[in-house]
Amino acid sequence: EPEVTQTPSHQVTQMGQEVILRCVPISNHLYFYWYRQILGQKVEFLVSFYNNEISEKSEIFDDQFSVERPDGSNFTLKIRSTKLEDSAMYFCASSESAGGQIGADTQYFGPGTRLTVL
Amino acid sequence: DAKTTQPPSMDCAEGRAANLPCNHSTISGNEYVYWYRQIHSQGPQYIIHGLKNNETNEMASLIITEDRKSSTLILPHATLRDTAVYYCIVSAGAFYNQGGKLIFGQGTELSVKP
Repeated sequence: EPEVTQTPSHQVTQMGQEVILRCVPISNHLYFYWYRQILGQKVEFLVSFYNNEISEKSEIFDDQFSVERPDGSNFTLKIRSTKLEDSAMYFCASSESAGGQIGADTQYFGPGTRLTVL
Repeated sequence: DAKTTQPPSMDCAEGRAANLPCNHSTISGNEYVYWYRQIHSQGPQYIIHGLKNNETNEMASLIITEDRKSSTLILPHATLRDTAVYYCIVSAGAFYNQGGKLIFGQGTELSVKP
């Protein structure tokens, strides 16, 4: 069964360093998302992405964050200068369709990357 | 904020049906009810979704009331591996609507006991 994969599973970094979290969405999916979950808290939406453009982003997704689809298979989340409060699980998700009239769009999540900022 | 209300926790005996309720009284006509679950800190796992009709798949059944203001997720024969946090999410399920974002609440922590 196709699945979303993410690397690395755990990333430890020093405050102020740049990190890139990588995701390989399901191969025929065109819509991509990042979510995060701080330990003990809710899963929070960060950003959605389609056709090399951000569609929607949350207040969390400030100028320190960026996303990119560098090639036909990867989808990345970059944090330019990490802060202690960026420590969280980061989940990538993908969906096949835009949903709406053609039916609901279902997002499938990866296993996550645990980011620890020291 | 999440548009759903779920009990914070529930217990279920192994082998019995687990019935997880969800209230979504402000659901709009174009919004679907989605269920996901999260085991420990793993990625949320899609279970099922529905619009108006009851739905069943290999994992679960979804019962939606006629007025669509509430629903119940049924795991017919719960196992220990079904112990997880279950999220009920209301969403238009469409990318054109706020980029398709899912808004997670706190969910229901289901404990399946031997």
